[in-house]
Amino acid sequence: KAGVTQTPRYLIKTRGQQVTLSCSPISGHRSVSWYQQTPGQGLQFLFEYFSETQRNKGNFPGRFSGRQFSNSRSEMNVSTLELGDSALYLCASSLGGGWYGYTFGSGTRLTVV
Amino acid sequence: DQQVKQNSPSLSVQEGRISILNCDYTNSMFDYFLWYKKYPAEGPTFLISISSIKDKNEDGRFTVFLNKSAKHLSLHIVPSQPGDSAVYFCAASGEGNDMRFGAGTRLTVKP
Repeated sequence: KAGVTQTPRYLIKTRGQQVTLSCSPISGHRSVSWYQQTPGQGLQFLFEYFSETQRNKGNFPGRFSGRQFSNSRSEMNVSTLELGDSALYLCASSLGGGWYGYTFGSGTRLTVV
Repeated sequence: DQQVKQNSPSLSVQEGRISILNCDYTNSMFDYFLWYKKYPAEGPTFLISISSIKDKNEDGRFTVFLNKSAKHLSLHIVPSQPGDSAVYFCAASGEGNDMRFGAGTRLTVKP
């Protein structure tokens, strides 16, 4: 059974650019959540998608957006990148949300220079 | 909004001794709590969970305790092993289905 796949693993972007990260959940999982991990801040919740609809959203600016496709794959987009956006972005998939437990991908390491 | 807090950024224990990691939460609507373990360059992996109807859940060397009145949970690892050295995240979930994590505690188990 394939796990959660995140691409790319590493990314270097320049301030002001935009970036799109991809997440393929475990087959059959309909919930995909995105988290930002920075030192000292732990995992900050970005948003959760379920059946192509954004079901929950964290406290991030509108520059952070996402979407989910009919096959449950999800993308996260960050526009007008800032240096502070440098972080590990983790995707987690679940059958239906928190109660079902999450399986995490290995993350995308984004560096903004 | 830090709804889940891990106030100790790091913990160091001797091999064979007990490791106790603590976590506090503020949202009384949380009803499911989990601990995740994370190694560098990997995503977090699920360790153990507990629902709000219980106050203790045990799995081998790992035990999670929940004190709902204090909005506090803890993870006990007995005996601690060097391979347990990792960052441990406490997480909580409620009716909103999303999951909130603490900032993590880096556990170092010394041989």
